Amino acid sequence: NAGVMQNPRHLVRRRGQEARLRCSPMKGHSHVYWYRQLPEEGLKFMVYLQKENIIDESGMPKERFSAEFPKEGPSILRIQQVVRGDSAAYFCASSPSNTGMNTEAFFGQGTRLTVV
Amino acid sequence: AQSVTQPDIHITVSEGASLELRCNYSYGATPYLFWYVQSPGQGLQLLLKYFSGDTLVQGIKGFEAEFKRSQSSFNLRKPSVHWSDAAEYFCAGKGGGTSYGKLTFGQGTILTVHP
Repeated sequence: NAGVMQNPRHLVRRRGQEARLRCSPMKGHSHVYWYRQLPEEGLKFMVYLQKENIIDESGMPKERFSAEFPKEGPSILRIQQVVRGDSAAYFCASSPSNTGMNTEAFFGQGTRLTVV
Repeated sequence: AQSVTQPDIHITVSEGASLELRCNYSYGATPYLFWYVQSPGQGLQLLLKYFSGDTLVQGIKGFEAEFKRSQSSFNLRKPSVHWSDAAEYFCAGKGGGTSYGKLTFGQGTILTVHP
């Protein structure tokens, strides 16, 4: 059973371009979470999705950022018109369908975005 | 507001010495608490977790943590550190009323191990 798969591992974008980060959850997991880790900081929650639904996007910046988790395929975190401040590591985590109070989330290895 | 705080940004220990990494939490009710380790350029690996029951939790790689409600702490310990333990360690928590995996992370503690 493969773990949470994120790609690409490293992504370089010029200011103003779009960044698309992909996350394939563990098999059997239908809950996906995105976190951002800015340099020398801890991880900050961005968004929680289930298949075709955004459940909690309280940590998402109001502009330029969007996320989706379609019925088929990976979850996508999309950043439009990237700026230098978007440079960070973006982590995806997934948890099983039967999410209960004591369910843990499993993390991917992250995508490191560099905006030049 | 719910929060997790790691007071120590950087800790250095000698190989073979004991280790304690501090974590304090602020939650209205008993939280669920986790310790993760992140090696350079890697993702997060779960070391251990506390949900309820025995307040001393055993994890992987010889780590343990103790939940102390009176001190709002969940410190991570290891009796004898190995050079391979050098990494960044994150304490994380979620509220008891949160039915899904949304976590609040501490700022992290970087562990350096001297030979």
